[in-house]
Amino acid sequence: QVQLRESGPGLVKPSETLSLTCTVSGDSMSTYHWHWIRQSPGKGLEWIGYIYYSGSTSYNPSLNSRVTISIDTSKNQFSLKVASVTAADTATYYCARRVSTGWPFDNWGLGTLVTVSS
Amino acid sequence: DIQMTQSPSTLSASVGDRVTISCRASQSVRSWLAWYQQKPGKSPKLLIYEASRLQSGVPSRFSGSGSGTEFTLTITSLQPDDFATYYCQQYNDYATFGQGTKVDTK
Repeated sequence: QVQLRESGPGLVKPSETLSLTCTVSGDSMSTYHWHWIRQSPGKGLEWIGYIYYSGSTSYNPSLNSRVTISIDTSKNQFSLKVASVTAADTATYYCARRVSTGWPFDNWGLGTLVTVSS
Repeated sequence: DIQMTQSPSTLSASVGDRVTISCRASQSVRSWLAWYQQKPGKSPKLLIYEASRLQSGVPSRFSGSGSGTEFTLTITSLQPDDFATYYCQQYNDYATFGQGTKVDTK
């Protein structure tokens, strides 16, 4: 059974860059799509973007200019960077797996709370 | 982008009740619709995908129906473990979620 676990700082200052890593265990990263999703009281669940194991990416247009997702299959990890954060980026961040387009998110990480505050 | 609207926002029910939650898409998502259950402090759990397909291991009291823009999640006999928040999600175009329906105790 695949397991995903998010890691990274829980506190980020405004205007800085939020950086998180998702470590995948129990399965290969090949052939899957690896996603980031966040949840805040104000905006609910919001899809951020994904990366394919080959390295191709797709981002939510509302966040596109600030988001970068990368992958390191040798470490079974993929990462998220959100630049120029504000209080509106305070949320619980989840990593999740999807088999391909046309499939839902079938495995999620536990989530990690990131607070943007000085 | 496609907007997802759930109703009601909160639903009060008792063990044994039949529960129905609705989800409407702002444009057709065909059958690319999933339902998730989330409990406090936990990540969402996939219940239903492709509008009506039951995820492996999910009890058969959960069912989904609909296509296009109108969808329904039904719990035929509510159990104590089912008190939670439920979300619909379209995956026809990127991915967007409904705002959630909290099922609490009457």
